[in-house]
Amino acid sequence: AQSVSQHNHHVILSEAASLELGCNYSYGGTVNLFWYVQYPGQHLQLLLKYFSGDPLVKGIKGFEAEFIKSKFSFNLRKPSVQWSDTAEYFCAVNMPGAGSYQLTFGKGTKLSVIP
Amino acid sequence: GAGVSQSPSNKVTEKGKDVELRCDPISGHTALYWYRQSLGQGLEFLIYFQGNSAPDKSGLPSDRFSAERTGGSVSTLTIQRTQQEDSAVYLCASSSRDLTGELFFGEGSRLTVL
Repeated sequence: AQSVSQHNHHVILSEAASLELGCNYSYGGTVNLFWYVQYPGQHLQLLLKYFSGDPLVKGIKGFEAEFIKSKFSFNLRKPSVQWSDTAEYFCAVNMPGAGSYQLTFGKGTKLSVIP
Repeated sequence: GAGVSQSPSNKVTEKGKDVELRCDPISGHTALYWYRQSLGQGLEFLIYFQGNSAPDKSGLPSDRFSAERTGGSVSTLTIQRTQQEDSAVYLCASSSRDLTGELFFGEGSRLTVL
């Protein structure tokens, strides 16, 4: 079965620091990749997604992620975080080529940004 | 409404009781998913409905869990004889028919089994 690994459980940064959250998946075929964010007290929402084409994708609020196929990775980055980025971030993958439409999620990384 | 609606938002029950959780997806979305979110465990897939196809029940943790979707819209997740380990937030999500997989989530139903 496919799996998604997020390397960091909890990341604490000061405002203006750069962010990189790691995500690796285990499936070798065609994948769709996603990052979802859950702000405190709110529901999960899509941050960005990759289906094909340019492996560097840009999402909302200045976030971007790079798909590196050879490394089975889809790391999330932001050059300068803000206090409002405090949230939990989930990487997810599905495998349409394998007929699997369900999203498999990582366990999440909690980001705390200190003002 | 414009988003995925779930009810109840909070449910406290006693061990051994049955509970029903409801999900009303975004109008026109043919795919509906149930996930369970436990502290430190991320999101665990439970079940997936797509149109009139047979549901993918591969994520249901035991036969105490079941779900149905009536008329291709509203879904109900039923947990029979609840156990304390069933305590979690149950999330419903819907998506359009295409394969992009973008899910729109509801606020969740927080279940506490005493």
